[in-house]
Amino acid sequence: NAGVTQTPKFQVLKTGQSMTLQCAQDMNHEYMSWYRQDPGMGLRLIHYSVGAGITDQGEVPNGYNVSRSTTEDFPLRLLSAAPSQTSVYFCASSYVEEGASWNQPQHFGDGTRLSIL
Amino acid sequence: AQSVTQLGSHVSVSEGALVLLRCNYSSSVPPYLFWYVQYPNQGLQLLLKYTSAATLVKGINGFEAEFKKSETSFHLTKPSAHMSDAAEYFCASNAGGTSYGKLTFGQGTILTVHP
Repeated sequence: NAGVTQTPKFQVLKTGQSMTLQCAQDMNHEYMSWYRQDPGMGLRLIHYSVGAGITDQGEVPNGYNVSRSTTEDFPLRLLSAAPSQTSVYFCASSYVEEGASWNQPQHFGDGTRLSIL
Repeated sequence: AQSVTQLGSHVSVSEGALVLLRCNYSSSVPPYLFWYVQYPNQGLQLLLKYTSAATLVKGINGFEAEFKKSETSFHLTKPSAHMSDAAEYFCASNAGGTSYGKLTFGQGTILTVHP
């Protein structure tokens, strides 16, 4: 049981390049989210998904696309990288048992450190 | 909209001293509250979560947090700091329901522990 796996761990891009950050979980969690972490700003939600085929925007969605074709995978795409997207990106997953409280914690990957020159 | 505020971006304590990290939430309904810890170059690890069963919540590594509805606070404490506690700590909340899966984070507090 690997939990949440993010690849790559590090990436350097040039402005205007595109790339996909991969996220996979093996816990059969229906909820998955992408956050970016910037110094002094905590983590901010980019996009999230409540199940395969269903995604929605978070607080800072501009410049990012997502899709969720399977329960396990939730890739994040940068279509045209900009220096403002230099950040550490975290993927997380969680679940809710039917009839249970909404306080199940999210499980985080180890992050992707992205630099855009 | 929910918001989470952590007072103090940096907290410095001596080894063996009390650790107090502050978190206040703003929500029209009691949120679901969490504390996470992040060690350098790692992901976030759950320290503890609030459940309505008790206002004092015990977590891992000797940490605990007290939920005070009247003060809209969920401060994190540890009676005696250890060098290994040096890390960044995040308070987070979600509103549940259709907002479940959308965590709102505080700005983070970096804890430094001096020998």
